Parts: sequence; C-alpha cells; structure tokens
Amino acid sequence: EPEVTQTPSHQVTQMGQEVILRCVPISNHLYFYWYRQILGQKVEFLVSFYNNEISEKSEIFDDQFSVERPDGSNFTLKIRSTKLEDSAMYFCASKATGAGGYTFGSGTRLTVV
Amino acid sequence: AQKVTQAQTEISVVEKEDVTLDCVYETRDTTYYLFWYKQPPSGELVFLIRRNSFDEQNEISGRYSWNFQKSTSSFNFTITASQVVDSAVYFCALSEANTGNQFYFGTGTSLTVIP
Repeated sequence: EPEVTQTPSHQVTQMGQEVILRCVPISNHLYFYWYRQILGQKVEFLVSFYNNEISEKSEIFDDQFSVERPDGSNFTLKIRSTKLEDSAMYFCASKATGAGGYTFGSGTRLTVV
Repeated sequence: AQKVTQAQTEISVVEKEDVTLDCVYETRDTTYYLFWYKQPPSGELVFLIRRNSFDEQNEISGRYSWNFQKSTSSFNFTITASQVVDSAVYFCALSEANTGNQFYFGTGTSLTVIP
C-alpha cells in the first residue's frame, strides 16, 4: 500500500537553529498538508498546499514557517529559527482529490533544546 | 467552539470487555467527512475509518464498529472484546468541504486495556 514517508523520524535541534522536515507524499496525490501535535495534545492543522502554493494556513503557521515542493516529489516544512515551543510531532499528509481522507506519514518528532 | 469533542479523556477496561469511545462534532456544512484514527505509543496516526455526511449506515469491521447519527451529531466507535493491542489514543476528526478539507481533530481518548 502506498505510503507517505517522513524523514527524519526524530530530530533534535538547538533553539534558534533552522530545521527542515522532509516528506515524500504518495506519487499521484495533489494536496499536501502539515499538522503538528504537541506532546499529549491534539493534532493541529498548520498548512495545506495545492498547485504549488499555500491554499490555507492556521494561526500557528507564522513567518517562521515555510513550505516548499522543490522537485515535484518532496514536500518540506522549514522552521527558520526554532523555539522551545516548536517541540512537537509533525505529521505530513497527502490526498489525491479534494474530497475524502488523507494518508498521514508516520511523523517527525522535533525536539528543540 | 470545538468542532470535535471527545469528552472521555482516559478509559480503562479489562481485556475482553466492550468499550465505546464517544465523538460529538459541530458543523454547518452539509458535506463533511468524519474519521477515526488510532495513535499507538509509537506515535504514528493509523487510519481506521472515514464516513461521509450522506451515509449514515453503521459500519462493522471485525471487532470495530461505528455508529454515525446525524440527529445527535455523533460518531461513536465501539471495540468489542477488547485486547491489549487496542491500547492507544484514539482521535475523532472532522473534515468540511467548505474549509479546504483541513482536519479538525478532537483531543483524543486514551484507551488502556488491562490484561
């Protein structure tokens, strides 16, 4: 069964450093998403991406965040200057059409120290 | 206002008991989708079921069953004859057609099945 692949599975970074979280969505999918889950809390929407541009973003997705689909297969989330409160599990997701459910990746656990 | 409410924060049951996880949602959209995901201790989100707003038929998949009732805006999940491997956090989620299909997750119910 096709999978959404996220790398790395766990990343530790120092406060103030830039991080890039990588995702390879399912190959024929057109819609891409990032979600965040702070430990013990619910999963929260960050951003959606379609047709090479952001279609929606939440209040969490401020100027420190950016997304890119640099080569038609990868979908990345960059955090420019990490803060302690950015520590969370980040999930990438993709789907084929506008309606219906996503396929989530297995997540990247980001720890900011 | 919460779009998805999972009032049960934690539930413990003894193995082989049945357990129902509640989910109440709120939407003004006529076209929407409801989901359940399982999050085991390893952290990934495992898709369990998707239901669209036009299909109120209940569904059974092995030991899992789902009861969708639009009249009460509920989408409850029952595990029959629970097993230790069912121990996880379970999330209910809503996706609305008019908000770009982003997911709104509930706060999750942590289920512990005691052997």
